[in-house]
Amino acid sequence: DTEVTQTPKHLVMGMTNKKSLKCEQHMGHRAMYWYKQKAKKPPELMFVYSYEKLSINESVPSRFSPECPNSSLLNLHLHALQPEDSALYLCASSQGAVLTDTQYFGPGTRLTVL
Amino acid sequence: GESVGLHLPTLSVQEGDNSIINCAYSNSASDYFIWYKQESGKGPQFIIDIRSNMDKRQGQRVTVLLNKTVKHLSLQIAATQPGDSAVYFCAEKGGSYIPTFGRGTSLIVHP
Repeated sequence: DTEVTQTPKHLVMGMTNKKSLKCEQHMGHRAMYWYKQKAKKPPELMFVYSYEKLSINESVPSRFSPECPNSSLLNLHLHALQPEDSALYLCASSQGAVLTDTQYFGPGTRLTVL
Repeated sequence: GESVGLHLPTLSVQEGDNSIINCAYSNSASDYFIWYKQESGKGPQFIIDIRSNMDKRQGQRVTVLLNKTVKHLSLQIAATQPGDSAVYFCAEKGGSYIPTFGRGTSLIVHP
């Protein structure tokens, strides 16, 4: 199984809502990532978890809160978002933190903030 | 807000032609490079990689060429098919396991 799954596929939320994005992988990977991708742009790294500990936070606003409950799951909690946060949110995983480790991406959650 | 008027470079080819997608990378210390394919509505998918101690690597219908002198990477797709239509990103890793993505090129294959 080389699949990263993400739910929901689409999410529409208001600026006062609280919602969560979920990501799951069963490849035994120990590094997991959240990316944000705007239309016609490359993915931008947000967070990295390595062995279930947050190892990189790319100066992401606190209205985005990541969580790694176990080695297979990664969540992104959303609160008080802005319309400019509308984007495709991608989760990825890799075997570990080695240079040549391949990242496997999920299909993404398309988020619209009204 | 989102940039207005930002366009991905686009390459249009006929089915059966060979495609060449180019990428200029920025970090001369990068020692590992990857090409990803992103189809509409999907996440990026690994295609092929190359280490800096190589200048060419071949896969199935794809070849990656690396020119470290001019910091240039290219992806060649042989006998391009409609299913190859996607956005292609190059990515570089320089001393970190986190890839830095390039701008992306949209490949359009006409039947």
